[in-house]
Amino acid sequence: QQQVKQSPQSLIVQKGGISIINCAYENTAFDYFPWYQQFPGKGPALLIAIRPDVSEKKEGRFTISFNKSAKQFSLHIMDSQPGDSATYFCATTGGGADGLTFGKGTHLIIQP
Amino acid sequence: EAGVAQSPRYKIIEKRQSVAFWCNPISGHATLYWYQQILGQGPKLLIQFQNNGVVDDSQLPKDRFSAERLKGVDSTLKIQPAKLEDSAVYLCASSLWRATEAFFGQGTRLTVV
Repeated sequence: QQQVKQSPQSLIVQKGGISIINCAYENTAFDYFPWYQQFPGKGPALLIAIRPDVSEKKEGRFTISFNKSAKQFSLHIMDSQPGDSATYFCATTGGGADGLTFGKGTHLIIQP
Repeated sequence: EAGVAQSPRYKIIEKRQSVAFWCNPISGHATLYWYQQILGQGPKLLIQFQNNGVVDDSQLPKDRFSAERLKGVDSTLKIQPAKLEDSAVYLCASSLWRATEAFFGQGTRLTVV
C-alpha cells in the first residue's frame, strides 16, 4: 500500500522558473511533512518541513503549501537554479510512528 | 559536527552470501534508523532503534535481515543469505530523539550478483 503518492516522476524547468512537486497522503494521523533533497551518491538531506497546524511555510526560495482537507502538500522552488537539480522526496510520519514514509521521488532538472 | 558515518561505501557479493553494514550516528543521537533505497524509489524504513532497543522492525525481513545496536551507539545491519532483490543502497539515519529531524549518511551501495 503506497501511503504517499508523489508527482511528477520527473520535471524539467528553465533557470529562473518555478518548480512545483506534489504529494498526496492517505493516513490522517500523519502530522509531520518534510521534503528531502538527494544528490547522486549522497544520502537525503532535509530541505524544509511543515506540521498541519499551518498552511504554508517559506524558507528562502523553498515553500511548502499544505492542504489538510485534501490531504495534499506541495513543494515550490522559486527562481530555480541549476544547483537545485536533484531528486526530491516528500515524506510523512506520525500516528505513533517515527520512521519516515517516503514518496517515490521527483527527478528535477534545471536547464541553464 | 560530524555527520552519520557508514561503511563500506560499496559492496558486491554473490547471492546466498552474507554481508554486514556498519553505521556510526551523530554523537548524542538516541534514535537510529536503517532504510533500504532501491534504485528509482524512495527510502523504505527497515528498523528503528531508540538507544539500544528496537522501536519498530515491522518492515524488516527477519528471515534474512538482522540488526543490532549494542551500547546504544554504533549499529550493524546484516543480510544472510543475500538475494538478488536485496541490491539497493542501505541508508543509516539518526536523530536526537524520536520524531525529530533525521540526518542521513551517504549509504552503502550493495550489489548482489
